[in-house]
Amino acid sequence: GDQVEQSPSALSLHEGTGSALRCNFTTTMRAVQWFRKNSRGSLINLFYLASGTKENGRLKSAFDSKERYSTLHIRDAQLEDSGTYFCAARTGGYKVVFGSGTRLLVSP
Amino acid sequence: GGIITQTPKFLIGQEGQKLTLKCQQNFNHDTMYWYRQDSGKGLRLIYYSITENDLQKGDLSEGYDASREKKSSFSLTVTSAQKNEMAVFLCASSIAGAPSAETLYFGSGTRLTVL
Repeated sequence: GDQVEQSPSALSLHEGTGSALRCNFTTTMRAVQWFRKNSRGSLINLFYLASGTKENGRLKSAFDSKERYSTLHIRDAQLEDSGTYFCAARTGGYKVVFGSGTRLLVSP
Repeated sequence: GGIITQTPKFLIGQEGQKLTLKCQQNFNHDTMYWYRQDSGKGLRLIYYSITENDLQKGDLSEGYDASREKKSSFSLTVTSAQKNEMAVFLCASSIAGAPSAETLYFGSGTRLTVL
């Protein structure tokens, strides 16, 4: 079936540094959405992309449908960025499948 | 803005019991979804519905039924609760047919505990 492979599964960053999360897709997806799970367990929408790139503050996301991947870049990481990040990809129909998540820990 | 309301927030049942989770949205969204999240894992799709009275099976539909009798509501039934089903169930919705705007919005979840 449609699969989303998210990496890394866990990531540790020092404050002020940055890194990238990646999702690879086993089939062509028509859109991707990135979420962060907050301390109350709610999924907060970060980005929705049908193509190209979007940027919001210290976060930037890219989606390449043809190459079957999406990335989420975090720069100048802050303590409050800690949490679990998920990508979710929309198939050619209406099905939306999730990656397994990246647990990010930002330390002083 | 709209909201997705899931009830109950916490559901405790007995093994073998039939349990129903409810979800209401006032976005006037076409498509609704039910996901299950187990601790430390990603979300797995149980059922989704493209429009009223439509049902589509996800990757984890066995052991569940769903019902979309109204556009605004989507219910999920655990047909026979098992102890390994203790998880958070998340409902979501989105518009359909506009590829650049099909953002998925989530409710706050129902936490299921099976005794």
